[in-house]
Amino acid sequence: DAGVIQSPRHEVTEMGQEVTLRCKPISGHDYLFWYRQTMMRGLELLIYFNNNVPIDDSGMPEDRFSAKMPNASFSTLKIQPSEPRDSAVYFCASSPRQGAPGANVLTFGAGSRLTVL
Amino acid sequence: GNSVTQMEGPVTLSEEAFLTINCTYTATGYPSLFWYVQYPGEGLQLLLKATKADDKGSNKGFEATYRKETTSFHLEKGSVQVSDSAVYFCALSPSGQGSSASKIIFGSGTRLSIRP
Repeated sequence: DAGVIQSPRHEVTEMGQEVTLRCKPISGHDYLFWYRQTMMRGLELLIYFNNNVPIDDSGMPEDRFSAKMPNASFSTLKIQPSEPRDSAVYFCASSPRQGAPGANVLTFGAGSRLTVL
Repeated sequence: GNSVTQMEGPVTLSEEAFLTINCTYTATGYPSLFWYVQYPGEGLQLLLKATKADDKGSNKGFEATYRKETTSFHLEKGSVQVSDSAVYFCALSPSGQGSSASKIIFGSGTRLSIRP
């Protein structure tokens, strides 16, 4: 398996623009997570899905952020409009279903580094 | 509630030095404990884990022992290398049925730099 695939790896945009980050989880993993990492706040869980259904989005900072998972192999995190304070590294991670081997282990993608000017 | 506390960084050591990164936790029952490592420009990856008291997780020369009596899971390595420079995260997953990665709690991370 190629692991969790994220794109783009780097994104530089101007304030007010729409940003879309993409993630392909490991095939067969039921859970998908979006995290944000900054120097100031560390690693924050934004939202997670189980079987393509959003379960907990309490970590999403505000209405400018939205996430979708239209099928088991694809998810997007969208920021519209973007602001400089959204600059961070955004990670996608996936894990197997509850009770399966490795169910409580996360596999992370390489991250998408977003810079909003 | 559940929480993880790990030593503040950054930690700077010379090559071949002995490494300890402290991690303590608060949780009910018997959580699973983890160390994740994040190399520069990469995502976090699992380094080692332990699922019950007195278990020792080990990988790449790193070790950590699950100590229930002190609620600790300290990371150790006998002789560090420049390639070990990274950020290390301690984490726990609560015990019980239905446990999944959705309940993982991470520490704040400890940055380790190794001088040649």
